[in-house]
Amino acid sequence: GEDVEQSLFLSVREGDSSVINCTYTDSSSTYLYWYKQEPGAGLQLLTYIFSNMDMKQDQRLTVLLNKKDKHLSLRIADTQTGDSAIYFCAESRGAGANNLFFGTGTRLTVIP
Amino acid sequence: SQTIHQWPATLVQPVGSPLSLECTVEGTSNPNLYWYRQAAGRGLQLLFYSVGIGQISSEVPQNLSASRPQDRQFILSSKKLLLSDSGFYLCAWSGGQLSPLHFGNGTRLTVT
Repeated sequence: GEDVEQSLFLSVREGDSSVINCTYTDSSSTYLYWYKQEPGAGLQLLTYIFSNMDMKQDQRLTVLLNKKDKHLSLRIADTQTGDSAIYFCAESRGAGANNLFFGTGTRLTVIP
Repeated sequence: SQTIHQWPATLVQPVGSPLSLECTVEGTSNPNLYWYRQAAGRGLQLLFYSVGIGQISSEVPQNLSASRPQDRQFILSSKKLLLSDSGFYLCAWSGGQLSPLHFGNGTRLTVT
C-alpha cells in the first residue's frame, strides 16, 4: 500500500518513556521525519534521519530506523506534560516537489 | 533565518461567501510552497503546491484554488465557500527536494 501508518493514540505517565511507531512504504525513501503538532498550532519539525542511518539521538529524542522492516520509531525519554501533542512521521519518497508523505498522526497524552 | 507567516489565525465565514487566505515566507528565495488541510486535528491532505511564480499544481479537485503572485507569497481562495470547506488550513515551505517542510501556524476556518 501507499499509506504511512501510525497508531492513533498513546498514553504514558509523566516521567516514563514514550515510543511512537511508524511504518512507511518505500524502501528507497531518503529522509524520514518526525513532526510535533500542539493543539491549534502548525506542525513543528522535531527531528529527521537519513536513510543510511540506524539511529539518531537529540537530547530526549531518539529515532530508530529499521530499513528492512520499513519501521521508524521516536522515543521520548522522561516524558513531560508539555510533550502532549500529535506526532506525525513523514517519508521523503521519490523526486519532485510533492514527495513528502505523512502518516495519520499519533496523539500522545501524558498523564501527570 | 527563515520565517513563514499565515493569516488570519481564525476565520468564520457564511456559506457562499468568498475566501482568501494568505501565506508569506521570509528569508529564502524560490521556495516550494504548499497548502494543506487538516480535518478534526488528524491527517494532512495536500491541496496545492507551487515550485515557482504562477506555477500551481492541484492535488485534489475541489472548491478551492491557489495562486502565487510573488516568489514568497501563496494565496488560497474560493469564490463560494461550502460547509465542507471548514477545517484547519496549513501553509508550508521547503527549500526543494530533500528539504523538510516548515509549517505556518495555520488558519482555523469555520463555514456557517
